[in-house]
Amino acid sequence: EAGVAQSPRYKIIEKRQSVAFWCNPISGHATLYWYQQILGQGPKLLIQFQNNGVVDDSQLPKDRFSAERLKGVDSTLKIQPAKLEDSAVYLCASSLTDYQRGLEENEQFFGPGTRLTVL
Amino acid sequence: AQSVTQLDSHVSVSEGTPVLLRCNYSSSYSPSLFWYVQHPNKGLQLLLKYTSAATLVKGINGFEAEFKKSETSFHLTKPSAHMSDAAEYFCVVSDRGFNKFYFGSGTKLNVKP
Repeated sequence: EAGVAQSPRYKIIEKRQSVAFWCNPISGHATLYWYQQILGQGPKLLIQFQNNGVVDDSQLPKDRFSAERLKGVDSTLKIQPAKLEDSAVYLCASSLTDYQRGLEENEQFFGPGTRLTVL
Repeated sequence: AQSVTQLDSHVSVSEGTPVLLRCNYSSSYSPSLFWYVQHPNKGLQLLLKYTSAATLVKGINGFEAEFKKSETSFHLTKPSAHMSDAAEYFCVVSDRGFNKFYFGSGTKLNVKP
């Protein structure tokens, strides 16, 4: 079974530039998550989608971060403009959780992440 | 509110000796608890999970964890460390039905030959 795919794996940009990350979840997984992992810390949830709807984006800095999952499969996370403190690994995860179908499978499968460095 | 405290940021053991990684949680509800491992430049991998069945949970690669409600702990153990166990380990709490994950700050395990 193919895992969660993310690209690019590494990105270096200057502050105030824009950047976008892409995630392809495991086939059939309704729920998709984006996490931010700052060096020395555990991952922090940024946004959670179920199919193409947002379940939770309470910790997403909406003045500069945006995310979409238009067809309920792939997702993109964008930062515009980037700040130095955005340097982190951005992790995508997916799970079978689907509240509409009564599926509550808590296991999340993680991609390898995108390491962003903002100079 | 839910939170996780990993009591040690770094643990160093010799190959062949036991491993103990400590985790305490706080949850308003009956929690689900997980341990994930992260090898360098790799994605997080699930080691084991507790979801209100047996309190002693066995995972992959010889790891196990015991859920102790009275101590609000979910410590990860392995009888004999292997060099390949060197990685960062995360304890995670999730409230059942909410599917929100709260990660601890991680414990880096170093295994000496």
